[in-house]
Amino acid sequence: DVKVTQSSRYLVKRTGEKVFLECVQDMDHENMFWYRQDPGLGLRLIYFSYDVKMKEKGDIPEGYSVSREKKERFSLILESASTNQTSMYLCASSSPWAGREQYFGPGTRLTVT
Amino acid sequence: DQQVKQNSPSLSVQEGRISILNCDYTNSMFDYFLWYKKYPAEGPTFLISISSIKDKNEDGRFTVFLNKSAKHLSLHIVPSQPGDSAVYFCAANLGTGNQFYFGTGTSLTVIP
Repeated sequence: DVKVTQSSRYLVKRTGEKVFLECVQDMDHENMFWYRQDPGLGLRLIYFSYDVKMKEKGDIPEGYSVSREKKERFSLILESASTNQTSMYLCASSSPWAGREQYFGPGTRLTVT
Repeated sequence: DQQVKQNSPSLSVQEGRISILNCDYTNSMFDYFLWYKKYPAEGPTFLISISSIKDKNEDGRFTVFLNKSAKHLSLHIVPSQPGDSAVYFCAANLGTGNQFYFGTGTSLTVIP
């Protein structure tokens, strides 16, 4: 059974803190993605990676960075958390060789106070 | 600018009837379209997809229709079941290795 796991389901952080969100997939997928989901805005792409150490900016990369040192792990970093980064964060993976559907993790609900 | 739009935030349907969820897109270069279903507190799960070279794809109770001239796709669920109650997102892709663009979602409620 394919699996994408995220390090936390719920997270509460203070403004200005550095926040790490971890995502691990066990499907040997080349592509990995970070989205945030907000009411009325759907899923918006923050960053994606199509290979180890490679990254591409999505639609809303400001205030975020990513790291992909190993194929199975894709980390999202909030350098200095702000209240407008309170959101649901979703990680996904896909393979260009096995259909284009993405497999999503359960999400991390981040609250920045 | 939103390249994929779902103009109906919500839809209610009686159990056993047909549910039709709609999606419009602006970029004629999209070559692959997908539908995802999302339950609360879970990540989206893939439902069905269609390539731009087709106009219909069917999988059990779910059928996706693509009208390229109108830049419109729709998801039909027949018959609708209470377990289908969820938020449905459509997504479009410009080609492998490129990003996916998601709509804002339609919340479907199937009334028993």
